[in-house]
Amino acid sequence: GQQVMQIPQYQHVQEGEDFTTYCNSSTTLSNIQWYKQRPGGHPVFLIQLVKSGEVKKQKRLTFQFGEAKKNSSLHITATQTTDVGTYFCAPAGNNRKLIWGLGTSLAVNP
Amino acid sequence: DTAVSQTPKYLVTQMGNDKSIKCEQNLGHDTMYWYKQDSKKFLKIMFSYNNKELIINETVPNRFSPKSPDKAHLNLHINSLELGDSAVYFCASSRVGAGTDTQYFGPGTRLTVL
Repeated sequence: GQQVMQIPQYQHVQEGEDFTTYCNSSTTLSNIQWYKQRPGGHPVFLIQLVKSGEVKKQKRLTFQFGEAKKNSSLHITATQTTDVGTYFCAPAGNNRKLIWGLGTSLAVNP
Repeated sequence: DTAVSQTPKYLVTQMGNDKSIKCEQNLGHDTMYWYKQDSKKFLKIMFSYNNKELIINETVPNRFSPKSPDKAHLNLHINSLELGDSAVYFCASSRVGAGTDTQYFGPGTRLTVL
């Protein structure tokens, strides 16, 4: 079946450092969504990428969809303590069903 | 106004008991989901209903039975609870259930089985 790998599983950074999480699929994706879950909270939608090579920005967050639509990345510039949480990619395959990555848990030292 | 609500927020119970978790969404969405999130944060979809009809039923023990009385509600009943059922259960909804739809999650129900 379709699988998605998200790396790294954990990342510990100093406040102000950059952070990147990657999402890789074995098959071509129709689109990909990213969600953030704060500690003790629930997943909250961040963004959706649909087009090959698409890049979207939300303040310090930059999201990219690979040219082959098999991978995606989320980059945070100059992390803040408010960025703490687990970031999930949720790509949709050709059957348009969402597949959830294992998430990347980000810890930020003040 | 809470878009997706779940009750209870916490549930502590003994092994072998039967319990239910309720979910309601006021977004007018057609599709609702139940997810299980274990201690390692893995989000596993369990069920999905579209307009009261079951459309996704992942490999879940048949002790878990979802019920959707109407498209705004999706409840989860669990029989004969086991230690391994301890997890956070999230209800979610989306407009139509396609992979392009944003999913809106409830606050979660933390189930602890003793």
